[in-house]
Amino acid sequence: DVKVTQSSRYLVKRTGEKVFLECVQDMDHENMFWYRQDPGLGLRLIYFSYDVKMKEKGDIPEGYSVSREKKERFSLILESASTNQTSMYLCASTPSAGQPNTGELFFGEGSRLTVL
Amino acid sequence: DAKTTQPTSMDCAEGRAANLPCNHSTISGNEYVYWYRQIHSQGPQYIIHGLKNNETNEMASLIITEDRKSSTLILPHATLRDTAVYYCIVRVTQGGSEKLVFGKGTKLTVNP
Repeated sequence: DVKVTQSSRYLVKRTGEKVFLECVQDMDHENMFWYRQDPGLGLRLIYFSYDVKMKEKGDIPEGYSVSREKKERFSLILESASTNQTSMYLCASTPSAGQPNTGELFFGEGSRLTVL
Repeated sequence: DAKTTQPTSMDCAEGRAANLPCNHSTISGNEYVYWYRQIHSQGPQYIIHGLKNNETNEMASLIITEDRKSSTLILPHATLRDTAVYYCIVRVTQGGSEKLVFGKGTKLTVNP
C-alpha cells in the first residue's frame, strides 16, 4: 500500500518562528501536494510539485514556500509563522499522467499546526 | 477555484441509499471526475473516479450524465461509518501538470 507520512501530527509554534513540515511518500510518485484545511473553507491547495526541484503555486501560496530536493520528500516551509497559519496541513501524492491510478491522491494523516 | 458545486449538507437513513449530487458544468472533454471523502480527523480517502461511463467499485457507484455536466455518487446501503464530508473534484491542468482542486464538499450525516 502507498504510504504518505507526515513528520508531525501536532505542532505548536510561536509567531515569527520558522516552521518546517515534512512529507515523505514511498511509492515513487512524481506529483506531491500541500493543502491546508480550515473549518468552512474545505481543502485549499498551497503548492504542488511534479518533479524534483520543480514547484507550482496553488491557490494560496502567500506566506509559504516549498522544497523538493528528492523525489520522495516534499517540505512545506513557513518562513515566519503567523497566527492565521494555524490550520490542519495535509500532504498528498499521486503518480504522473499515464500511470496506473493516475489522479488518485494518497493523503497523509495531517499535521495540525497551532501558531501562538 | 473549484470547478464543482455540491450541496452543503445531506442526511440519509441508515441502510438506505445515499445519493450525492455534483455539478461540473464547465468540465472539459478529457477531464475526469473524482470523489473523495473525509472522515473527521483523517486525511481524505479516494472513493471512485470516472470519465463518461458509469463506474462501480466496492465502495460506491458513480453515475455521470450523458452531457457530463453533472454526476451522482451513490452509496447503496449507507452505514453510520459513512458519515463524512464528500468531495467531488475535477482535475485542472496547470503548468504542465495536473492538480485536484477541492471545493467545500457535502457533509453527509447517516442517521440510525
